[in-house]
Amino acid sequence: AQKITQTQPGMFVQEKEAVTLDCTYDTSDQSYGLFWYKQPSSGEMIFLIYQGSYDEQNATEGRYSLNFQKARKSANLVISASQLGDSAMYFCAMREVPNDMRFGAGTRLTVKP
Amino acid sequence: DTAVSQTPKYLVTQMGNDKSIKCEQNLGHDTMYWYKQDSKKFLKIMFSYNNKELIINETVPNRFSPKSPDKAHLNLHINSLELGDSAVYFCASSQESERAPQYFGPGTRLTVL
Repeated sequence: AQKITQTQPGMFVQEKEAVTLDCTYDTSDQSYGLFWYKQPSSGEMIFLIYQGSYDEQNATEGRYSLNFQKARKSANLVISASQLGDSAMYFCAMREVPNDMRFGAGTRLTVKP
Repeated sequence: DTAVSQTPKYLVTQMGNDKSIKCEQNLGHDTMYWYKQDSKKFLKIMFSYNNKELIINETVPNRFSPKSPDKAHLNLHINSLELGDSAVYFCASSQESERAPQYFGPGTRLTVL
């Protein structure tokens, strides 16, 4: 069964610094996708970044990058140059077809001015 | 031109009532989903549906039923509402691939009194 673990219920970071949000996953499949979502206090779920299990390079999207370590089954999200607007819940998720996407419990990130 | 829309955004109702939440996506996606997010922010898949198959999470009470009039719509009907049904309900859609992110609607906050 799929399982996604986010061990950090809450994280704090100083504005303009980088922060890493941890995510580990468990699967026996070879083909899967890893995703990160942001949920600000307004409540919407925003897709941030995707990493495929066969992708050799780490995914990047602007200030977001995904530190993918396949052997360790980890897919950590790195946010560079944190901004106040980055304060939100962040969810790691994994998807295998035909299975549905499974989400971790989330990490609440607070950016301090 | 909202990609995934839900109505209503807020729903307050009495125990025992029947209610519906509507969802529409204009992304041309194959599959649509309903999630429940509880007060601890945990996201639980309730249903996934494409033109071939409805997959129901076995833990979902049969008071909940999805109805899909066409590929772009997946509505959620809830009968005999209970206090424990209070939560935020998200509709989402995606292509059927492990590489495909799910795109979420804005959520419907359901409060059962």
